[in-house]
Amino acid sequence: DGGITQSPKYLFRKEGQNVTLSCEQNLNHDAMYWYRQDPGQGLRLIYYSQIVNDFQKGDIAEGYSVSREKKESFPLTVTSAQKNPTAFYLCASSIGGGPGNTIYFGEGSWLTVV
Amino acid sequence: GDSVTQMEGPVTLSEEAFLTINCTYTATGYPSLFWYVQYPGEGLQLLLKATKADDKGSNKGFEATYRKETTSFHLEKGSVQVSDSAVYFCALRSGSGGGADGLTFGKGTHLIIQP
Repeated sequence: DGGITQSPKYLFRKEGQNVTLSCEQNLNHDAMYWYRQDPGQGLRLIYYSQIVNDFQKGDIAEGYSVSREKKESFPLTVTSAQKNPTAFYLCASSIGGGPGNTIYFGEGSWLTVV
Repeated sequence: GDSVTQMEGPVTLSEEAFLTINCTYTATGYPSLFWYVQYPGEGLQLLLKATKADDKGSNKGFEATYRKETTSFHLEKGSVQVSDSAVYFCALRSGSGGGADGLTFGKGTHLIIQP
């Protein structure tokens, strides 16, 4: 089946640890995104990538890092510098930039700091 | 910058009632407008979209019309079902030069349908 796969679904992080969330898509989309969702809030953009080997900061990039070495993969690392990482993280992709192109989402990953 | 404002819930309705969820926006350029739906513990699913003024998006009995004059994209459904209970997000994608790519979201409206 075509789609966006995020893993793991649930992840627990200890204070001071870095963790990496995986995102893979087989839709042949050029653009990929990471969003953070907090309870009662809309989604906020962390990072996006419009092409392989290139990515840009979104609205809340501090404490996060990404890479885009392959078209189908866009992993997100939540570093120890992120002060409040407990949230629901959503990966998304689009055939390209531009307003008319739909952005599709994965099923999300829950990250909890313990 | 771009922004989306939508009515905050929860919105509680009885089954078969008429639904309206209001959404207004501010944006530069000519944005496309979207409604996404999120069921508990899941990601977002595209419900419908409209890419230019006066376009009507529709899906699964839901409709929304892109109104440029009132900068609105209200979601409507004539007869809701219990299975429509979810959180609904209004969003825009402007693609305006100089800004980040991606969607700008409202805060979401939690819809609860009672039997």
